[in-house]
Amino acid sequence: SQTIHQWPATLVQPVGSPLSLECTVEGTSNPNLYWYRQAAGRGLQLLFYSVGIGQISSEVPQNLSASRPQDRQFILSSKKLLLSDSGFYLCAWMPGLGGDEQFFGPGTRLTVL
Amino acid sequence: AQSVTQLGSHVSVSEGALVLLRCNYSSSVPPYLFWYVQYPNQGLQLLLKYTSAATLVKGINGFEAEFKKSETSFHLTKPSAHMSDAAEYFCAVSDRRGSYIPTFGRGTSLIVHP
Repeated sequence: SQTIHQWPATLVQPVGSPLSLECTVEGTSNPNLYWYRQAAGRGLQLLFYSVGIGQISSEVPQNLSASRPQDRQFILSSKKLLLSDSGFYLCAWMPGLGGDEQFFGPGTRLTVL
Repeated sequence: AQSVTQLGSHVSVSEGALVLLRCNYSSSVPPYLFWYVQYPNQGLQLLLKYTSAATLVKGINGFEAEFKKSETSFHLTKPSAHMSDAAEYFCAVSDRRGSYIPTFGRGTSLIVHP
């Protein structure tokens, strides 16, 4: 069966510090991968998605970036965090061929102080 | 283009009462429709999905939803609310024709009173 992991679960970082959040999927190949953010009291905001290694599409211009160095690994990064980057970050995957539903990871709670 | 509107950011019911969460969609082609549930500090979990088969879809935890093309709706219902149903619920639509980017509604917070 397929499993999706995210780490860390929680993170408290000062403004201006770098960020690296990691997501890995097990038990599948060639998944579509997604990064979402939930700000307090708001819905899901799609940040990035990827349909293959090295292929990243950005939905919202910001100081965040994403990379997919391996088929089942998706990394969200920032060189300098802003207060507005605080939120709940969710990674998700969808089968690359014939899939329709997304499967979400447990999320990372990021607080920028 | 596709969009989703969830009517009501908060819905409050008593334990044992009917749950009705509303979702209306817009899609230029026959859609795929989804309901997800999110418990506090957790990821989203699929409740049910409509993918052009039966219009009445049954999901986990006693929830069901009916696809009504004429009303462009996909409302979520449960006959009797339980305290454990308190969570955030998201409706999503996907244009399956070459699209793998679902569009999510803003979510509805379900509050269950004892």
